[in-house]
Amino acid sequence: NAGVTQTPKFQVLKTGQSMTLQCAQDMNHNSMYWYRQDPGMGLRLIYYSASEGTTDKGEVPNGYNVSRLNKREFSLRLESAAPSQTSVYFCASSVTGTGAEETQYFGPGTRLLVL
Amino acid sequence: AQSVAQPEDQVNVAEGNPLTVKCTYSVSGNPYLFWYVQYPNRGLQFLLKYITGDNLVKGSYGFEAEFNKSQTSFHLKKPSALVSDSALYFCAVSPNTGFQKLVFGTGTRLLVSP
Repeated sequence: NAGVTQTPKFQVLKTGQSMTLQCAQDMNHNSMYWYRQDPGMGLRLIYYSASEGTTDKGEVPNGYNVSRLNKREFSLRLESAAPSQTSVYFCASSVTGTGAEETQYFGPGTRLLVL
Repeated sequence: AQSVAQPEDQVNVAEGNPLTVKCTYSVSGNPYLFWYVQYPNRGLQFLLKYITGDNLVKGSYGFEAEFNKSQTSFHLKKPSALVSDSALYFCAVSPNTGFQKLVFGTGTRLLVSP
């Protein structure tokens, strides 16, 4: 049981390049989330998927797109990377998301540097 | 809108001494409150949560937190700190209705010295 996995672990991009961050969970969770972590700002929600086939914007969605490929996988795409998107990106999952008391389980993160 | 404040960027404590990491929150209605810990180059790990009931919540690794509704606080505590507790600690809040959208504080770095 690997929990939440993310690839790649580290990536360097040039401004304007595109890339997709991959996330998968093997806990049969319905809900998945993408966060970014910046120094002094904590974690901020980019997008979330309450269940397979649905996605919604979080606090900071601009410049990103997501795909809930199936129940296990939730990808985050940067179409045209900007230096402001330099950050550490975390994927998380939870059982249903409809119970606000649920615990979210986090992946190890992807460190992205945009030059 | 909900928000979380962690007023201390860093907390320093000697091993064996008690530790407190502070958190205050603002949310409409009754809150669900969480503490997560992040070790270097790792994802966040769940420590404990307050949903309802007893104001003192016990969690992993000997940590506990006290919910104080009148002061809108949820401070993390441990009676005796270990060097291995050194990490980044995040407090988070979610309203108790609807889909869960956690709002995180900015984090407090705990440094436990030998």
